[in-house]
Amino acid sequence: AQSVAQPEDQVNVAEGNPLTVKCTYSVSGNPYLFWYVQYPNRGLQFLLKYITGDNLVKGSYGFEAEFNKSQTSFHLKKPSALVSDSALYFCAVRVLFSGGYNKLIFGAGTRLAVHP
Amino acid sequence: DVKVTQSSRYLVKRTGEKVFLECVQDMDHENMFWYRQDPGLGLRLIYFSYDVKMKEKGDIPEGYSVSREKKERFSLILESASTNQTSMYLCASSPRTGPPQGNTIYFGEGSWLTVV
Repeated sequence: AQSVAQPEDQVNVAEGNPLTVKCTYSVSGNPYLFWYVQYPNRGLQFLLKYITGDNLVKGSYGFEAEFNKSQTSFHLKKPSALVSDSALYFCAVRVLFSGGYNKLIFGAGTRLAVHP
Repeated sequence: DVKVTQSSRYLVKRTGEKVFLECVQDMDHENMFWYRQDPGLGLRLIYFSYDVKMKEKGDIPEGYSVSREKKERFSLILESASTNQTSMYLCASSPRTGPPQGNTIYFGEGSWLTVV
């Protein structure tokens, strides 16, 4: 079965420290992987995606993610956390159907709390 | 910028009422989706549509139906609302895609539905 796992419900980081939000996936074929962020009472905003090419993907707001095929992981990272990064983060994998139709399967989400 | 608009941000409905959640996108996307978001469960796909008048069941379609009469509009219908349908509902859209490009899915701001 195709799935996405985010093993941590919450990650706590001090402002200025590096942060990592973990994601592992299980999918047949080449994975198309995404990270989204959700601020309180808002919809999901796209952060970055991995399709092919360089394993280190750079995205919005200084975030980056590293694709590791052997570990089936796609961890989100940022070198120096800001209090304003506090939000709910979702990892997702795209499932592609014949004919070009697609949908995303999401992890349960990880709440990032950055403390001053 | 892509814009996905959900007409109602906050709704309170009574058990047994028929509820319509409306979603409009302005980017001529072929694919549209309705997700439900609950704490600890992430996003779960209710229905999606890959063309006008076409629909496919997602992972949790029971108790819901959808309508796609025009390309830009995708409606979620709760025929007889129940308290276990109290949730945040997210509409999304994406262009049809074929390998190797993975197209981003864009989300609306969400509709908070409370069924009492």
